[in-house]
Amino acid sequence: DVKVTQSSRYLVKRTGEKVFLECVQDMDHENMFWYRQDPGLGLRLIYFSYDVKMKEKGDIPEGYSVSREKKERFSLILESASTNQTSMYLCASSQEGDRGFDEQFFGPGTRLTVL
Amino acid sequence: QKEVEQDPGPLSVPEGAIVSLNCTYSNSAFQYFMWYRQYSRKGPELLMYTYSSGNKEDGRFTAQVDKSSKYISLFIRDSQPSDSATYLCAMSAYGQNFVFGPGTRLSVLP
Repeated sequence: DVKVTQSSRYLVKRTGEKVFLECVQDMDHENMFWYRQDPGLGLRLIYFSYDVKMKEKGDIPEGYSVSREKKERFSLILESASTNQTSMYLCASSQEGDRGFDEQFFGPGTRLTVL
Repeated sequence: QKEVEQDPGPLSVPEGAIVSLNCTYSNSAFQYFMWYRQYSRKGPELLMYTYSSGNKEDGRFTAQVDKSSKYISLFIRDSQPSDSATYLCAMSAYGQNFVFGPGTRLSVLP
C-alpha cells in the first residue's frame, strides 16, 4: 500500500525558531513536493524535487528551503519561523507513469502553529 | 483572477441527493483534470481524472470537462454521509505540476 508519512501531525513553534518538517515515502518515487494549504487559497506549491539533491522553487518559496539527501526523504525547513507561516503543510510524492500526468500521493499533513 | 476558481461552500445536502461540484479555470494549456477528495485530518486522495474534454463515469461519480468554457464538474449521485469531505479540483498542462482549486467542503446529512 502506498505510504507517505510526515514526522508530526501537530507542531507549535515560536517566532524566529528554525523548524524542520520531515516527509518519507516508501514507494521509490522520483518526485516529491511540499505544499501549504490555507482556507480559501487551496494547496500552494512551495518546493519540489525530481531527484536526490535536486530542488526547484514552486509558487511560494520565500521563507522556506528544502533538502533531499535520500530518495525517500524530503525535508522542508523554515529558517526563521514567522506567524504568517502558520498553516497545514502537505507532502506528496509521484512517479512518472503512462497516463500523461503523475498521480500525487499525499501524506496526512502537519498542522504548524507559529506563536 | 486566480488560475483555478472553486466555490468553497460549505455545501450541505440530504442523503440521496445529486451533488454538483464545479471549477473554472483560465489557462487553456491545461489538459489533465483531476478531482481529489480530502477527509478531515487526512491528505487528499485522487478520486477521478479526465484527459481533455468529455465525460468519465466511475460508480456514483461522473466527471465532466468542457474545455471551450474552461469549466469542469464532478457529479455525485445518491450521495452518502461517507461522501462528506472537501473536494479539490486540480489541473495540469502536462506531467507533474498541478494547480489546485481551493476546495469545496461537502456535508451529506443522514
